[in-house]
Amino acid sequence: QVQLVQSGAEVKKPGASVKVSCKTSGYTFTSYNVNWVRQVTGQGLEWMGRMSPNSGSTDYAQKFQGRVTMSSDTSTRTAYMELHGLRSDDTAIYYCARSTSPDSSASLFWGQGTLIIVSS
Amino acid sequence: DTQLTQSPSSLSASIGDRVSIICRSSQTVNAYLHWYLHKPGRAPKLLVYAASNLPSGVPSRFRGSGSGTTFTLTISGLQPEDFGTYYCQQSHRLPHTFGQGTILDIK
Repeated sequence: QVQLVQSGAEVKKPGASVKVSCKTSGYTFTSYNVNWVRQVTGQGLEWMGRMSPNSGSTDYAQKFQGRVTMSSDTSTRTAYMELHGLRSDDTAIYYCARSTSPDSSASLFWGQGTLIIVSS
Repeated sequence: DTQLTQSPSSLSASIGDRVSIICRSSQTVNAYLHWYLHKPGRAPKLLVYAASNLPSGVPSRFRGSGSGTTFTLTISGLQPEDFGTYYCQQSHRLPHTFGQGTILDIK
């Protein structure tokens, strides 16, 4: 069955970087985009961007342009999201998700979420 | 960016009720509109994709409709597990924005 397992919670200081991993199984990794979505505490869902493990291409929300890097390692079937220059308002749960089909962007399968706390 | 506005922002309903949530977009998204249910401490769950398609395992009491700029999620016969926050999302234009959410709680 399709599974996405994310790395554990982290506490970071303002200005630091964090790299969240999303290890996948149960499907052909290179056939589906990986989306990244976050939820800041008390707020709604926010689409951060997506990446294609096949081509390595990425699309980022403008809000995160210059601060986020999405990548993957096809040998380990793992996607990564790195966020730089952390601020307190980056404290959130970060999710990776896989789409319903190769040509769709609706997220059917999700990781369990990774809590990132940014605090001095 | 394509802005999605959900209404109502919150509603209270009873088990067995029929409820509808509307999602309006600032520009056409064709049928690239999806609905999710999110509960605290859990990952969001996809309920409807491409406006009206249910993924395998989603109960038939959920129905999505609409096209262009106005979409509706209807739940017929609310069950206890249906309470939480509902979001619409468009994937027609980048970035793939979400609506602000509709909180559905028990009356």
